[in-house]
Amino acid sequence: AQSVTQLDSQVPVFEEAPVELRCNYSSSVSVYLFWYVQYPNQGLQLLLKYLSGSTLVKGINGFEAEFNKSQTSFHLRKPSVHISDTAEYFCAVSSRNQGGKLIFGQGTELSVKP
Amino acid sequence: GAVVSQHPSRVICKSGTSVKIECRSLDFQATTMFWYRQFPKQSLMLMATSNEGSKATYEQGVEKDKFLINHASLTLSTLTVTSAHPEDSSFYICSARDLNEGTQYFGPGTRLLVL
Repeated sequence: AQSVTQLDSQVPVFEEAPVELRCNYSSSVSVYLFWYVQYPNQGLQLLLKYLSGSTLVKGINGFEAEFNKSQTSFHLRKPSVHISDTAEYFCAVSSRNQGGKLIFGQGTELSVKP
Repeated sequence: GAVVSQHPSRVICKSGTSVKIECRSLDFQATTMFWYRQFPKQSLMLMATSNEGSKATYEQGVEKDKFLINHASLTLSTLTVTSAHPEDSSFYICSARDLNEGTQYFGPGTRLLVL
């Protein structure tokens, strides 16, 4: 079985500061990894994904994530956040033998303060 | 590209009525669509996997007679909440899996309030 753990439920940060949202997963097979963002009362928007290849993945809105197989992590980073980055962020994992089913972490609420 | 729409975005209904929610992939084909439920301040809970032309696969604890799913084409899946009750009030989100790249793209969600 697969699982995803987002280690921080809330991350407050000041505008223009760097941020890292942590995500660890467990799986016995090869995985695909995703980060989604959810703004209030909206659906999820794909930020970035790791399917294969380079372990450093760049996404939209200046976010990037690094797949670390030995540490089973896929942490999300941004060097300088904006007020508009305030949202809920979800890490998710799937595998080829799961028919595309996503397993989500509990979510991290990023709050950017002026 | 990769746009998924949901309709309606918001619905208020009386207890005992049925509500249909549509999920459409607008610019790609999706043999598989997923239906999620999200409670306030919580993560998404997968309810069922909808496969085009076949019966949906429901997650444990989800009543298939309560939440009817139909996936009649490669771009449309519907979720019908039958005989809705106040405890069915929630945010329902669908996603569509791109046939070519395997990524799930999410709809904007439907807020259901049952009075």
